[in-house]
Amino acid sequence: QSALTQPPSASGSPGQSVTISCTGTSNDVGGYNFVSWYQQHPGKAPKLMIYEVNKRPSGVPDRFSGSKSDNTASLTVSGLQAEDEADYYCSSYAGSNNLVFGGGTKLTVL
Amino acid sequence: EVQLVESGGGLVQPGGSLRLSCVASGFTFSSYWMHWVRQAPGKGVVWVSRIKTDGTSTGYADSVKGRFTISRDNAKNTLYLQMNSLRAEDTAVYYCARDFYVSMDVWGKGTTVTVSS
Repeated sequence: QSALTQPPSASGSPGQSVTISCTGTSNDVGGYNFVSWYQQHPGKAPKLMIYEVNKRPSGVPDRFSGSKSDNTASLTVSGLQAEDEADYYCSSYAGSNNLVFGGGTKLTVL
Repeated sequence: EVQLVESGGGLVQPGGSLRLSCVASGFTFSSYWMHWVRQAPGKGVVWVSRIKTDGTSTGYADSVKGRFTISRDNAKNTLYLQMNSLRAEDTAVYYCARDFYVSMDVWGKGTTVTVSS
């Protein structure tokens, strides 16, 4: 159960797009379409932004999108806004009733 | 309103035990798998455990396997996490969360566990 690999930081200017990667193995990200993404503001609980690789829960802006290729999943935030500044975590099912999170990426809106 | 409220956190000595509770409201608790997730101070979130709707299937992170036990009482709409043989590295905010297609769509505010002598 090794954590998924995310870049520690990412940044972009308002209106730009930024993509955060999440790399796992064939035993987790590559093996299942159960990748999800969470946004966490300081002092708050995480919020689900993407589930099943590319599906958005009700209420999540369509500026947020997800994708996957082989063992790497990605979250793209388009039209960056100030309120998008937060920590982002990916998660994947890892088989045998286990899940695993990534180490998190701090997104800064310049 | 869909809500999860955790309780039971506190200060405990290394080697001690603690039981966390999470009361669910606003949805049919017995229809959902449930999770525990933790976050150490200044660190990322880490999945801890999950349990099936009827409690017959559970999963644990390697770091807590054999020490923590997840359970639920559907009659009381309550999820539990029994934590034994606690270590300093178990210090964290513990969140309960509702499963949604193997993700977590509803989260509580968390309860803080501090393991220290």
